[in-house]
Amino acid sequence: GAVVSQHPSWVICKSGTSVKIECRSLDFQATTMFWYRQFPKQSLMLMATSNEGSKATYEQGVEKDKFLINHASLTLSTLTVTSAHPEDSSFYICSAASGGEPQHFGDGTRLSIL
Amino acid sequence: QKEVEQDPGPLSVPEGAIVSLNCTYSNSAFQYFMWYRQYSRKGPELLMYTYSSGNKEDGRFTAQVDKSSKYISLFIRDSQPSDSATYLCAMKAPGGYQKVTFGTGTKLQVIP
Repeated sequence: GAVVSQHPSWVICKSGTSVKIECRSLDFQATTMFWYRQFPKQSLMLMATSNEGSKATYEQGVEKDKFLINHASLTLSTLTVTSAHPEDSSFYICSAASGGEPQHFGDGTRLSIL
Repeated sequence: QKEVEQDPGPLSVPEGAIVSLNCTYSNSAFQYFMWYRQYSRKGPELLMYTYSSGNKEDGRFTAQVDKSSKYISLFIRDSQPSDSATYLCAMKAPGGYQKVTFGTGTKLQVIP
């Protein structure tokens, strides 16, 4: 099946630090990648959708200057949380899809800001 | 009213039982229906993917879609402790970049 790799799986850092999370589709070309945030015992909250080579489309209420998304190739997208604060602590999950096919998810990144 | 409604559970069943998980939805434009399984602290894993109404079977899993009732189900036969996870339904309208709408997930526990 389709494999999506997300790295790192867990990161702890100090308040004010910027954190970069990578998402790679390993065995298919992802025309679209998605970034989600998940709070404990809640479902996935879509943050943004990115298509290769174009700017990401952010959901309402998501600060694009806070959460920088780059989709430089058909196999790699990155999410950078800039100047992270404790309220940004969460579980971040990426997914990738090719055309209209269903999304395949990475294993998520647990971000803890001290 | 949410576009997709899913009972959060938790649902506890004995090993070997048949499990029925369900979602209802309100958007008649939805044509693609998915079920994902999510283990704790992991990303969701695609289990079943169906288009329009009907049934689809894959091993112990059967997905059913009833568009007239706006109701989808996932059945798990001969449930195993390893099936203990949260199950998310998801659906989307046609079009390559249509956003997927997820249910809140049902937590399932299969007791040995």
